[in-house]
Amino acid sequence: AQTVTQSQPEMSVQEAETVTLSCTYDTSESDYYLFWYKQPPSRQMILVIRQEAYKQQNATENRFSVNFQKAAKSFSLKISDSQLGDAAMYFCAYRSANTGNQFYFGTGTSLTVIP
Amino acid sequence: NAGVTQTPKFQVLKTGQSMTLQCAQDMNHEYMSWYRQDPGMGLRLIHYSVGAGITDQGEVPNGYNVSRSTTEDFPLRLLSAAPSQTSVYFCASSKGGSQPQHFGDGTRLSIL
Repeated sequence: AQTVTQSQPEMSVQEAETVTLSCTYDTSESDYYLFWYKQPPSRQMILVIRQEAYKQQNATENRFSVNFQKAAKSFSLKISDSQLGDAAMYFCAYRSANTGNQFYFGTGTSLTVIP
Repeated sequence: NAGVTQTPKFQVLKTGQSMTLQCAQDMNHEYMSWYRQDPGMGLRLIHYSVGAGITDQGEVPNGYNVSRSTTEDFPLRLLSAAPSQTSVYFCASSKGGSQPQHFGDGTRLSIL
């Protein structure tokens, strides 16, 4: 099974600053998809951004962007101009394009935004 | 659209009791999954289904059963509740390929 590693259990950032959350994964597949989800205290799981492995261009969604390094199996999330509402648990997820289309999640990074 | 609906939102059980967590989606998604979320462990896959009539085990299937008689519904059954099953349970659904999972609001389950 694929493994997803988030090595930063907790991170903090000053409001309006930029923060990068790390994610690495282990796979032998060449075709897959990567996601970042946000889980605020409300417990909802909210999709932040996604990346197709066959695309070299890094995905961006407003203040959120990724640095996808396929050879290094790295998929970090950059949050620019951090806002108080960005405080949440962030999960990195891997989806196989082949083996049952399962999702594999990392253990999460808790982000605190300091006013 | 309702999306993914989970019921109940909270439940307290005694050890040895059985119960079913309900999950329904109205998006005609073929893939459905059940996860449990425990502190420091992320989301762990319990069971999943790739379509009606097809289910398979995930990472932590022991003590749980599922069935998928329709595209819309994917109930999770706890056969004989144990304190180790105290957790928050999420149901999710998706289309195939690059489509993300849509999650329900979760069920907080406590086993005494």
